[in-house]
Amino acid sequence: EVQLVESGGGLVQPGGSLRLSCAASGFTFSDHYMDWVRQAPGKGLEWVGRIKNKANSYSTQYAASVKGRFTISRDDSKNSLYLQMNSLKIEDTAVYHCVRIGLVGAATRAFDVWGQGTMVTVSS
Amino acid sequence: EIVLTQSPGTLSLSPGERATLSCRASQSVGSNYLAWFQQKPGQAPRLLIYGASSRATGIPDRFSGSGSGTDFTLTISRLEPEDFAVYYCQRYGDSPPYTFGQGTKLEIK
Repeated sequence: EVQLVESGGGLVQPGGSLRLSCAASGFTFSDHYMDWVRQAPGKGLEWVGRIKNKANSYSTQYAASVKGRFTISRDDSKNSLYLQMNSLKIEDTAVYHCVRIGLVGAATRAFDVWGQGTMVTVSS
Repeated sequence: EIVLTQSPGTLSLSPGERATLSCRASQSVGSNYLAWFQQKPGQAPRLLIYGASSRATGIPDRFSGSGSGTDFTLTISRLEPEDFAVYYCQRYGDSPPYTFGQGTKLEIK
């Protein structure tokens, strides 16, 4: 079964840091681009960032709202994705979802598998 | 940045009826990289449609997507009780940001 399981969320003060993890199973993790998408309480979905695969030099892309503060990394040997969040703001409060990006045929680049998410609360 | 505007904000229908949800882009969505997602309370979004009109694995054929350029539609031919949820459209591909619409809530009338 294809599965993504996030962890590492919690309560952090403004200006603080947090590192989220995503454990992948049931597919060849190293082949896929991987993204993070967040959802503030009661709000819609916001793309956070992407890390490509080894064949594409593990290059990263970020939303303007997090660029310079968040860093996405991956460890293909551990089938794991990470999101390092620094200088956290109250507006970063959200559920953070790990997402697999499709790579086969017409579904290439589609956000095809989502984790349940982990809650990050930024508050004093 | 491509802005996606969904309408209506809320749609009230009864089981068995047909639902038509709209997604309009501020500029043309290249290669029809337009997807639709369903999200139920407390759950992760689920991919329904990609490439504007292709159903994802395991999605019932009562769900269909259409459109191109800037205007896209998700149609649910006959609503089942489990279809009442929030639906999001999204522009994806290789050029970020990969934006989402604000969502349409489909509720039971």
